[in-house]
Amino acid sequence: TQLLEQSPQFLSIQEGENLTVYCNSSSVFSSLQWYRQEPGEGPVLLVTVVTGGEVKKLKRLTFQFGDARKDSSLHITAAQPGDTGLYLCAGEWGTSGSRLTFGEGTQLTVNP
Amino acid sequence: KAGVTQTPRYLIKTRGQQVTLSCSPISGHRSVSWYQQTPGQGLQFLFEYFSETQRNKGNFPGRFSGRQFSNSRSEMNVSTLELGDSALYLCASSFGLPPGYTFGSGTRLTVV
Repeated sequence: TQLLEQSPQFLSIQEGENLTVYCNSSSVFSSLQWYRQEPGEGPVLLVTVVTGGEVKKLKRLTFQFGDARKDSSLHITAAQPGDTGLYLCAGEWGTSGSRLTFGEGTQLTVNP
Repeated sequence: KAGVTQTPRYLIKTRGQQVTLSCSPISGHRSVSWYQQTPGQGLQFLFEYFSETQRNKGNFPGRFSGRQFSNSRSEMNVSTLELGDSALYLCASSFGLPPGYTFGSGTRLTVV
């Protein structure tokens, strides 16, 4: 059974601060995705990374995929209250078909 | 374009009853997967259907079942409900490689 460890579980910061969320596994991912979820809604896909060492930017969000494809990070620059939400990493390990394994999630609160 | 539609949004059932949840994927998406989200276990994979065939299955008891119709709409059924089945049930449709997942808003099931 593949496991995804995500840290930290909770993060409360002030507006304008930077933060990083980490996602680690002992197995090699075929692809890794980051989602953001609002209360009472489904997760919304932010990015998919597939290549070791890959870096993707989405406005103030930077996503990195480790060279060995076993870890990933999400960095938010100058966080805003609108960034508040549950951030989830999810990986696939090359099984046939679609099957995501999710990390525990990081509940981010950005205070004005 | 229309997103993933899940019905109903909220459901209250009594222990021992059964329930059927519905998911209409994005038009053209042939893969539909189901996830259970609880505060204690996070998001866990239930099963995935592709072209009316179950392609992947998670570690849930046989009380949890699903099916997919020729128009790609999917249903999941939970029989003999237990209090622990209270959760947000999420459906995701996907397309392409690596799959890009779009989640519905979920069905909030409460078992009393």
